[in-house]
Amino acid sequence: SAVISQKPSRDICQRGTSLTIQCQVDSQVTMMFWYRQQPGQSLTLIATANQGSEATYESGFVIDKFPISRPNLTFSTLTVSNMSPEDSSIYLCSVEGDSSYEQYFGPGTRLTVT
Amino acid sequence: GQQVMQIPQYQHVQEGEDFTTYCNSSTTLSNIQWYKQRPGGHPVFLIQLVKSGEVKKQKRLTFQFGEAKKNSSLHITATQTTDVGTYFCAGLNNNDMRFGAGTRLTVKP
Repeated sequence: SAVISQKPSRDICQRGTSLTIQCQVDSQVTMMFWYRQQPGQSLTLIATANQGSEATYESGFVIDKFPISRPNLTFSTLTVSNMSPEDSSIYLCSVEGDSSYEQYFGPGTRLTVT
Repeated sequence: GQQVMQIPQYQHVQEGEDFTTYCNSSTTLSNIQWYKQRPGGHPVFLIQLVKSGEVKKQKRLTFQFGEAKKNSSLHITATQTTDVGTYFCAGLNNNDMRFGAGTRLTVKP
């Protein structure tokens, strides 16, 4: 399984500002995924990021609010723009396993917007 | 669109009791996966089921995939305090993966 790190692990931000979350994988992967998990809730897919192409966003998520970069096969960033308290959540990146569709998650970024 | 429902939402058991969580999909699935998330942690992949009627075991954990590939269950025999966490199923259909709401398990020593 891949080893995934995320930065920052947590942050407290003021409304109206933006935060960029970084996700680093120890091996090259084609697809990377960004999820949001609100406290005590399930995981909601924000977008899928393939290297060399635009990210694909799920219903309810737009590029202007959650721009994603995927500059190479081991790295991705998710920006939460113009934050409001409703954006307070845990943001997780994940990658697929080598041989099937299982997902390996990073440790997450806990974001609090005041 | 595809929906994956999971019950119960919470389960509190005495150590040594069994535990089962159930997952049901509105559509036929290509596969189903199970994850465990410890309190304060991130989801960790447990297992994937692909075949109709498939049963897999991991020590005290038994995973089943229904004949119609629309439901699944995770059964833990003789729970231990280390089993505490939230168990999520995730169903895959046409490259669309949906997570269930999760079942939060607490175990009283």
